Amino acid sequence: GNSVTQMEGPVTLSEEAFLTINCTYTATGYPSLFWYVQYPGEGLQLLLKATKADDKGSNKGFEATYRKETTSFHLEKGSVQVSDSAVYFCALSDTGFQKLVFGTGTRLLVSP
Amino acid sequence: GAGVSQSPSNKVTEKGKDVELRCDPISGHTALYWYRQSLGQGLEFLIYFQGNSAPDKSGLPSDRFSAERTGGSVSTLTIQRTQQEDSAVYLCASSLDGRAYGYTFGSGTRLTVV
Repeated sequence: GNSVTQMEGPVTLSEEAFLTINCTYTATGYPSLFWYVQYPGEGLQLLLKATKADDKGSNKGFEATYRKETTSFHLEKGSVQVSDSAVYFCALSDTGFQKLVFGTGTRLLVSP
Repeated sequence: GAGVSQSPSNKVTEKGKDVELRCDPISGHTALYWYRQSLGQGLEFLIYFQGNSAPDKSGLPSDRFSAERTGGSVSTLTIQRTQQEDSAVYLCASSLDGRAYGYTFGSGTRLTVV
Protein backbone atom coordinates (compact mmCIF):
# COMPACT_ATOMS: atom_id res chain seq x y z
CA GLY A 1 0.00 0.00 0.00
CA ASN A 2 0.92 3.67 -0.11
CA SER A 3 3.19 4.97 2.62
CA VAL A 4 5.32 7.95 3.62
CA THR A 5 8.54 7.82 5.60
CA GLN A 6 9.96 10.89 7.34
CA MET A 7 13.16 11.42 9.24
CA GLU A 8 12.89 11.05 12.99
CA GLY A 9 12.89 14.16 15.11
CA PRO A 10 13.34 16.34 16.86
CA VAL A 11 15.48 18.42 14.58
CA THR A 12 17.20 21.10 16.62
CA LEU A 13 18.71 24.11 14.83
CA SER A 14 19.94 27.58 15.59
CA GLU A 15 18.24 30.56 13.97
CA GLU A 16 19.40 31.19 10.38
CA ALA A 17 20.61 27.61 9.91
CA PHE A 18 19.76 25.58 6.80
CA LEU A 19 16.93 23.06 7.17
CA THR A 20 16.34 19.76 5.44
CA ILE A 21 13.64 17.32 6.49
CA ASN A 22 13.74 14.12 4.46
CA CYS A 23 10.61 12.49 3.10
CA THR A 24 10.33 9.43 0.87
CA TYR A 25 7.23 7.71 -0.33
CA THR A 26 5.91 4.46 -1.75
CA ALA A 27 2.91 4.71 -4.01
CA THR A 28 1.22 3.20 -7.00
CA GLY A 29 0.36 5.58 -9.78
CA TYR A 30 1.19 9.25 -9.59
CA PRO A 31 0.25 10.77 -6.25
CA SER A 32 0.26 14.42 -5.32
CA LEU A 33 2.66 15.28 -2.50
CA PHE A 34 2.19 17.72 0.37
CA TRP A 35 3.89 19.23 3.37
CA TYR A 36 1.65 20.23 6.27
CA VAL A 37 2.74 22.17 9.34
CA GLN A 38 1.27 22.10 12.82
CA TYR A 39 2.28 24.97 15.08
CA PRO A 40 1.97 24.46 18.86
CA GLY A 41 -1.66 24.35 19.90
CA GLU A 42 -2.95 24.79 16.37
CA GLY A 43 -4.42 22.68 13.59
CA LEU A 44 -2.78 21.39 10.44
CA GLN A 45 -2.00 23.93 7.76
CA LEU A 46 -1.03 23.21 4.19
CA LEU A 47 2.51 24.49 3.68
CA LEU A 48 3.16 23.51 0.07
CA LYS A 49 2.29 20.93 -2.55
CA ALA A 50 3.41 19.41 -5.85
CA THR A 51 1.14 17.51 -8.18
CA LYS A 52 3.55 15.95 -10.67
CA ALA A 53 7.14 14.90 -11.10
CA ASP A 54 9.74 17.69 -11.09
CA ASP A 55 7.25 20.22 -9.73
CA LYS A 56 8.60 22.45 -6.99
CA GLY A 57 6.26 23.58 -4.25
CA SER A 58 7.22 26.69 -2.29
CA ASN A 59 5.77 28.87 0.45
CA LYS A 60 7.13 31.09 3.26
CA GLY A 61 10.71 30.36 2.20
CA PHE A 62 10.20 26.59 2.29
CA GLU A 63 10.68 24.49 -0.83
CA ALA A 64 10.27 20.86 -1.86
CA THR A 65 10.75 19.19 -5.24
CA TYR A 66 8.81 16.11 -6.36
CA ARG A 67 11.51 13.61 -7.38
CA LYS A 68 9.95 10.56 -8.99
CA GLU A 69 13.29 8.86 -9.65
CA THR A 70 14.16 8.85 -5.94
CA THR A 71 10.54 8.86 -4.69
CA SER A 72 11.37 11.80 -2.47
CA PHE A 73 9.91 15.16 -1.47
CA HIS A 74 12.45 16.67 0.93
CA LEU A 75 11.56 19.94 2.67
CA GLU A 76 14.20 22.68 2.70
CA LYS A 77 14.59 26.21 3.98
CA GLY A 78 17.67 28.33 3.64
CA SER A 79 17.42 30.22 6.92
CA VAL A 80 15.07 29.09 9.67
CA GLN A 81 13.49 31.36 12.26
CA VAL A 82 12.34 30.68 15.80
CA SER A 83 8.77 31.03 14.52
CA ASP A 84 9.30 27.99 12.27
CA SER A 85 9.32 25.73 15.33
CA ALA A 86 6.51 23.27 14.67
CA VAL A 87 5.77 19.71 13.61
CA TYR A 88 6.06 19.08 9.87
CA PHE A 89 4.13 16.29 8.15
CA CYS A 90 4.85 14.91 4.71
CA ALA A 91 1.83 13.39 2.96
CA LEU A 92 0.68 11.93 -0.30
CA SER A 93 -2.74 11.85 -1.88
CA ASP A 94 -3.42 8.51 -3.44
CA THR A 95 -5.00 8.22 -6.83
CA GLY A 96 -8.03 6.27 -5.70
CA PHE A 97 -10.21 7.96 -3.16
CA GLN A 98 -7.63 10.68 -2.69
CA LYS A 99 -7.24 10.24 1.03
CA LEU A 100 -4.08 11.69 2.50
CA VAL A 101 -1.49 9.27 3.78
CA PHE A 102 0.76 10.97 6.34
CA GLY A 103 4.24 10.43 7.61
CA THR A 104 4.74 10.35 11.37
CA GLY A 105 5.79 14.00 11.53
CA THR A 106 9.09 15.67 12.35
CA ARG A 107 9.36 18.18 15.17
CA LEU A 108 11.56 21.19 14.42
CA LEU A 109 12.95 23.25 17.29
CA VAL A 110 14.71 26.51 16.40
CA SER A 111 16.62 28.36 19.10
CA PRO A 112 17.64 32.03 19.00
CA GLY B 1 -18.06 29.14 5.86
CA ALA B 2 -14.56 30.45 5.48
CA GLY B 3 -12.94 27.41 7.02
CA VAL B 4 -13.65 23.94 8.34
CA SER B 5 -15.45 24.21 11.64
CA GLN B 6 -15.44 21.47 14.26
CA SER B 7 -17.37 21.24 17.49
CA PRO B 8 -16.94 20.87 20.32
CA SER B 9 -13.31 21.92 20.51
CA ASN B 10 -12.87 19.90 23.69
CA LYS B 11 -14.89 17.02 25.08
CA VAL B 12 -14.37 15.13 28.30
CA THR B 13 -16.54 12.05 28.70
CA GLU B 14 -16.82 9.10 31.00
CA LYS B 15 -15.82 5.67 29.81
CA GLY B 16 -18.82 3.87 28.34
CA LYS B 17 -20.68 7.00 27.23
CA ASP B 18 -21.47 7.84 23.62
CA VAL B 19 -20.10 11.00 21.98
CA GLU B 20 -20.87 12.90 18.80
CA LEU B 21 -18.33 15.06 17.03
CA ARG B 22 -19.41 17.52 14.38
CA CYS B 23 -17.68 18.82 11.27
CA ASP B 24 -18.91 21.68 9.11
CA PRO B 25 -16.83 21.72 5.91
CA ILE B 26 -16.09 24.59 3.58
CA SER B 27 -19.15 25.37 1.50
CA GLY B 28 -19.01 23.56 -1.84
CA HIS B 29 -16.38 21.05 -0.83
CA THR B 30 -17.69 17.65 -1.89
CA ALA B 31 -15.04 15.53 -0.19
CA LEU B 32 -14.80 15.22 3.58
CA TYR B 33 -12.32 13.21 5.65
CA TRP B 34 -12.00 12.26 9.29
CA TYR B 35 -8.60 11.61 10.87
CA ARG B 36 -7.44 10.83 14.38
CA GLN B 37 -4.26 12.13 15.98
CA SER B 38 -3.23 10.37 19.15
CA LEU B 39 -0.51 11.59 21.51
CA GLY B 40 2.83 10.55 20.12
CA GLN B 41 1.21 8.98 17.07
CA GLY B 42 0.80 10.10 13.53
CA LEU B 43 -2.38 10.94 11.72
CA GLU B 44 -4.69 7.98 11.29
CA PHE B 45 -7.28 8.00 8.50
CA LEU B 46 -10.77 7.05 9.64
CA ILE B 47 -13.32 7.62 6.87
CA TYR B 48 -13.85 9.49 3.60
CA PHE B 49 -17.10 10.95 2.23
CA GLN B 50 -17.82 11.99 -1.31
CA GLY B 51 -21.11 13.81 -1.12
CA ASN B 52 -23.24 11.85 1.33
CA SER B 53 -21.74 8.45 0.59
CA ALA B 54 -18.69 6.91 2.24
CA PRO B 55 -16.76 4.90 -0.32
CA ASP B 56 -13.86 4.36 2.08
CA LYS B 57 -14.55 3.41 5.71
CA SER B 58 -11.43 1.32 5.99
CA GLY B 59 -9.91 3.33 8.84
CA LEU B 60 -12.71 3.04 11.37
CA PRO B 61 -11.06 1.13 14.23
CA SER B 62 -14.11 -0.79 15.43
CA ASP B 63 -17.88 -1.04 15.04
CA ARG B 64 -18.21 1.43 17.92
CA PHE B 65 -17.26 4.12 15.41
CA SER B 66 -19.69 5.39 12.79
CA ALA B 67 -20.11 8.52 10.72
CA GLU B 68 -22.67 10.11 8.52
CA ARG B 69 -22.94 13.11 6.29
CA THR B 70 -26.15 14.84 5.34
CA GLY B 71 -26.98 17.29 2.58
CA GLY B 72 -23.46 16.95 1.25
CA SER B 73 -22.38 19.22 4.08
CA VAL B 74 -22.24 18.59 7.83
CA SER B 75 -20.76 15.33 9.08
CA THR B 76 -21.07 13.67 12.46
CA LEU B 77 -18.64 11.12 13.86
CA THR B 78 -20.18 9.01 16.61
CA ILE B 79 -18.25 6.89 19.08
CA GLN B 80 -20.33 4.52 21.15
CA ARG B 81 -19.33 3.09 24.51
CA THR B 82 -16.14 5.17 24.59
CA GLN B 83 -12.92 3.62 25.85
CA GLN B 84 -9.80 5.32 27.20
CA GLU B 85 -7.90 4.40 24.05
CA ASP B 86 -10.33 6.58 22.09
CA SER B 87 -8.76 9.67 23.66
CA ALA B 88 -7.24 11.67 20.81
CA VAL B 89 -7.70 14.74 18.66
CA TYR B 90 -10.25 14.08 15.93
CA LEU B 91 -9.59 16.11 12.81
CA CYS B 92 -11.89 16.82 9.92
CA ALA B 93 -10.75 18.00 6.49
CA SER B 94 -12.58 18.96 3.32
CA SER B 95 -11.57 19.50 -0.28
CA LEU B 96 -12.91 20.27 -3.71
CA ASP B 97 -10.20 18.27 -5.42
CA GLY B 98 -7.60 17.05 -3.00
CA ARG B 99 -4.96 16.17 -5.53
CA ALA B 100 -5.09 19.58 -7.20
CA TYR B 101 -5.83 21.95 -4.35
CA GLY B 102 -5.00 20.12 -1.16
CA TYR B 103 -7.14 19.67 1.91
CA THR B 104 -8.27 22.17 4.52
CA PHE B 105 -8.29 20.92 8.09
CA GLY B 106 -10.39 22.07 11.00
CA SER B 107 -8.86 22.76 14.41
CA GLY B 108 -10.03 19.43 15.73
CA THR B 109 -11.95 18.08 18.69
CA ARG B 110 -9.83 16.96 21.63
CA LEU B 111 -11.60 13.97 23.18
CA THR B 112 -10.61 12.79 26.62
CA VAL B 113 -12.18 9.64 28.02
CA VAL B 114 -11.88 9.36 31.79
